[in-house]
Amino acid sequence: NAGVTQTPKFRILKIGQSMTLQCTQDMNHNYMYWYRQDPGMGLKLIYYSVGAGITDKGEVPNGYNVSRSTTEDFPLRLELAAPSQTSVYFCASKGGSGQPQHFGDGTRLSIL
Amino acid sequence: DAKTTQPNSMESNEEEPVHLPCNHSTISGTDYIHWYRQLPSQGPEYVIHGLTSNVNNRMASLAIAEDRKSSTLILHRATLRDAAVYYCILRPDSNYQLIWGAGTKLIIKP
Repeated sequence: NAGVTQTPKFRILKIGQSMTLQCTQDMNHNYMYWYRQDPGMGLKLIYYSVGAGITDKGEVPNGYNVSRSTTEDFPLRLELAAPSQTSVYFCASKGGSGQPQHFGDGTRLSIL
Repeated sequence: DAKTTQPNSMESNEEEPVHLPCNHSTISGTDYIHWYRQLPSQGPEYVIHGLTSNVNNRMASLAIAEDRKSSTLILHRATLRDAAVYYCILRPDSNYQLIWGAGTKLIIKP
């Protein structure tokens, strides 16, 4: 079972560059989430979506954008990369209220 | 949002039970208590969750205090593969978000 798939696994960007972190899930889940995790810390929610066409901001949305055109895909866009965005990014999905979140293996992003 | 407090780290011996505590003194009546764990270099993994009653599944047990101000995750027989960071998280029933703390790093000694 693929579950939640994130690409790429690693990336190095220069300051000011842009990129899209890809996330896709094959469980037909309505809820999807993007988190970032800084070293030694818990996860912080960037954006989330409760279904195709619906997205909302989480705790730390500045510098990021998302879209949800299909149930399966929830890409995260960084428009002008900054060193403060160096982190590990996790995508997650959830089937419904009360169900657990399923996580991808993460994208390790360094901005130099 | 209600917050949780966990010890930074705990050690346990292999094949012994482990009790991981979590304090959530400001929990509201509709907050669910979730536990996830994160193995090194992996994404978090769901362990268990509950509202008021104690819960059991194949991975662990969750003991919730009667006043719900604290809970304990119980691993009945720890193995080396249980070494991970364990997160105790509250999820409001009316909210889609999980508020994550720093978790407890569990070290299993062979």
